Amino acid sequence: DTVLTQSPALAVSPGERVTISCRASESVSTGMHWYQQKPGQQPKLLIYGASNLESGVPARFSGSGSGTDFTLTIDPVEADDTATYFCQQSWNDLTFGSGTKLEIK
Amino acid sequence: EVQLVESGGGLVQPGRSMKLSCAASGFTFSNYGMAWVRQAPTKGLEWVATISYDGSSTYYRDSVKGRFTISRDNAKSTLYLQMNSLRSEDTATYYCTRVVLRSRYYYVMDAWGQGASVTVSS
Repeated sequence: DTVLTQSPALAVSPGERVTISCRASESVSTGMHWYQQKPGQQPKLLIYGASNLESGVPARFSGSGSGTDFTLTIDPVEADDTATYFCQQSWNDLTFGSGTKLEIK
Repeated sequence: EVQLVESGGGLVQPGRSMKLSCAASGFTFSNYGMAWVRQAPTKGLEWVATISYDGSSTYYRDSVKGRFTISRDNAKSTLYLQMNSLRSEDTATYYCTRVVLRSRYYYVMDAWGQGASVTVSS
């Protein structure tokens, strides 16, 4: 299985820029996607194909990367962005990262 | 508005069975692949199974193969997950998701239900 590694937690202040990383154990080309899960809610698709913004998602969110290294950027961060962010690859079967919990100070 | 509503969760003893249902509305159910994704308490997301739009193809993660069966009734716009021989490690919230193809290459889950909690314990 393709293992996706994410840093466990980040804390930033409103208005700052934050990057959340995801590293794949093997190449997934651009088959990487990002989901946001707010406390007590179901996940929501933010980015697909590494850099494509899902309809209705604010342009503060962006994604980049290819191969094994990917990033999700939020700029500027807002208090409502408190959530856990998961990467997911669909190039080699389907696996998720363990999630990065984002705290807004 | 796309809606996915799971039902059928609860407490079950190890080795027993449980069936989850997911009622879909707000879109043409028979046009979409569907999947189940689970999340153990305080853990990450884990794909469980996928079914094609017409039910002709199904896919499972190794740990549930032979124990879980994904199925659908397009006439009722309902997705199912039959879970047999349940184990403590199957304890999780089970999400029903819609699978879509984006940009001709990427299968993603663009709609999620609120989840059904399954606890396997004696």
